[in-house]
Amino acid sequence: QKEVEQNSGPLSVPEGAIASLNCTYSDRGSQSFFWYRQYSGKSPELIMFIYSNGDKEDGRFTAQLNKASQYVSLLIRDSQPSDSATYLCAVNMYTGGFKTIFGAGTRLFVKA
Amino acid sequence: EAGVTQFPSHSVIEKGQTVTLRCDPISGHDNLYWYRRVMGKEIKFLLHFVKESKQDESGMPNNRFLAERTGGTYSTLKVQPAELEDSGVYFCASSLTGGPSEQYFGPGTRLTVT
Repeated sequence: QKEVEQNSGPLSVPEGAIASLNCTYSDRGSQSFFWYRQYSGKSPELIMFIYSNGDKEDGRFTAQLNKASQYVSLLIRDSQPSDSATYLCAVNMYTGGFKTIFGAGTRLFVKA
Repeated sequence: EAGVTQFPSHSVIEKGQTVTLRCDPISGHDNLYWYRRVMGKEIKFLLHFVKESKQDESGMPNNRFLAERTGGTYSTLKVQPAELEDSGVYFCASSLTGGPSEQYFGPGTRLTVT
């Protein structure tokens, strides 16, 4: 079992729709959870992070965390073609230092 | 404010050679991380520095890899001797604090070992 699992996709949604991206993690000691966006050939850029159960909203993005189910999700409202990218879920745990484990990513296509 | 910079952007070396990658974090960021992405795989954590001290180096693949951060500013990652499976993109990231804080990624160094 991978430490952080994501559906590789591609996930295709029409412009204006809600895109829902999901992620599960295996280590219950995980403390904080991140969503990154990565365009082809570029480095990851942080969308948002969450560390408490529940929802966290930032503009068109909502992150949801359920620690009991070891599940993190990202909702993108009013999806735009510019949102087309690979979305990486990452989990951070304290090991004496801070170790971040990435999922393989979900490719999202937003059709105009 | 300058972002995280990495040098070189690309490196092509032969198996058995040595390569040194450099990362300059954002000024004032005590936390520095190295990651690697092998083609088709997820980004893998290599290690975490706080200033010049290694906090977690559990992701370093083997003793052919050596990371240093003398003086707590820039960091280097040396691969000696390089093997074919070391090919990939090496990312560096920095953050102001550890834990749930934003890590700013550099553009990466694409390493090809032939």
